[in-house]
Amino acid sequence: AQTVTQSQPEMSVQEAETVTLSCTYDTSENNYYLFWYKQPPSRQMILVIRQEAYKQQNATENRFSVNFQKAAKSFSLKISDSQLGDTAMYFCAFMRPYTGNQFYFGTGTSLTVIP
Amino acid sequence: SAVISQKPSRDICQRGTSLTIQCQVDSQVTMMFWYRQQPGQSLTLIATANQGSEATYESGFVIDKFPISRPNLTFSTLTVSNMSPEDSSIYLCSVARDLNTGELFFGEGSRLTVL
Repeated sequence: AQTVTQSQPEMSVQEAETVTLSCTYDTSENNYYLFWYKQPPSRQMILVIRQEAYKQQNATENRFSVNFQKAAKSFSLKISDSQLGDTAMYFCAFMRPYTGNQFYFGTGTSLTVIP
Repeated sequence: SAVISQKPSRDICQRGTSLTIQCQVDSQVTMMFWYRQQPGQSLTLIATANQGSEATYESGFVIDKFPISRPNLTFSTLTVSNMSPEDSSIYLCSVARDLNTGELFFGEGSRLTVL
């Protein structure tokens, strides 16, 4: 079975600073997808960024970027210029395609952006 | 994207009763899933809701406890039967519109408290 590990239960960052959230995973698959999802307090979960394992280039979405190290099975999320609206739970997720889109989620990192 | 509406958004229930959660999507989707998010924990897949056939349950979840219906491509229900305090959780409906991207869209969740 696939496992996803987020070793940082809680983190905080000053507004406008940069923070990196860690995620590691375990799989024997070669083809898969990795995601970071954001769950603001009392709000629905939304996709932050997505990475396909066969792509070496790290995905970037505005202030959000990832450091994907396939050999190390590491998938960290960097948030630049942190904003108060970034305060949320962040979940790392692994997906095996063509298997009913089965997702495996990490336990989450609670990020607080401090004004 | 997909607009997903869940009802109820929250409820307080008595031990031994059952509650049905509804999930309505604004357009037809291929795959619908039900997740459970227990307090302070990650998301756990309960089952895949299959249109026109029985749901596919994950290990540890059974149809008698969590009966699921999916009469069409835009609607599904999850029933939590014979509830106990251990069933207190957030239940999330999610959908995958494009199997190639693998992105999941989530409803806002139904927060159940069982007394």
